[in-house]
Amino acid sequence: EDQVTQSPEALRLQEGESSSLNCSYTVSGLRGLFWYRQDPGKGPEFLFTLYSAGEEKEKERLKATLTKKESFLHITAPKPEDSATYLCAVSSGNKLVFGAGTILRVKS
Amino acid sequence: GEEVAQTPKHLVRGEGQKAKLYCAPIKGHSYVFWYQQVLKNEFKFLISFQNENVFDETGMPKERFSAKCLPNSPCSLEIQATKLEDSAVYFCASSQSVPGDQPQHFGDGTRLSIL
Repeated sequence: EDQVTQSPEALRLQEGESSSLNCSYTVSGLRGLFWYRQDPGKGPEFLFTLYSAGEEKEKERLKATLTKKESFLHITAPKPEDSATYLCAVSSGNKLVFGAGTILRVKS
Repeated sequence: GEEVAQTPKHLVRGEGQKAKLYCAPIKGHSYVFWYQQVLKNEFKFLISFQNENVFDETGMPKERFSAKCLPNSPCSLEIQATKLEDSAVYFCASSQSVPGDQPQHFGDGTRLSIL
């Protein structure tokens, strides 16, 4: 069965303190790994798609990387507005399988 | 439209009543997906459509749950004889193709509360 595990469950950072979120996955034949951001009361907002090991994508303070077993979401010099739940998902058959997410809080 | 639109935002029903949720996918997207989000961000896949045809219904409870996507109408998810455990946020998503090719774009969900 395809599985996604995210760590840590929660992360508190000071503004400007860089860190990384981890997404470990087990899937039979990766077709795509997706990162989403979810704010309270909102739906997941698409951030990145990664398709193959070694691939990297960047957007503002966020950078996503992919290996054969895991993906990292690096957050450089975060700001309070980066506070959200970050979700990782993989394609599994005809659907997405999500991890439980990492709740990020950035304090000024 | 440019966003997935879900209505209503919040729906309250007494146990045993019917609940019906609606979803308008992004214009031009051929695939629609329904997910149920319960505790601790757990997303459970329910069903997907390719245009008006059921594409994958492996996550749908066999009883009480049904869904449709008809031409020129919002897609719908209906729950008959609701139970307390149906309380959750139901998300609709749409994509240009099946997962793995293009990302799914989500609406803001319908929070279903069963009393």
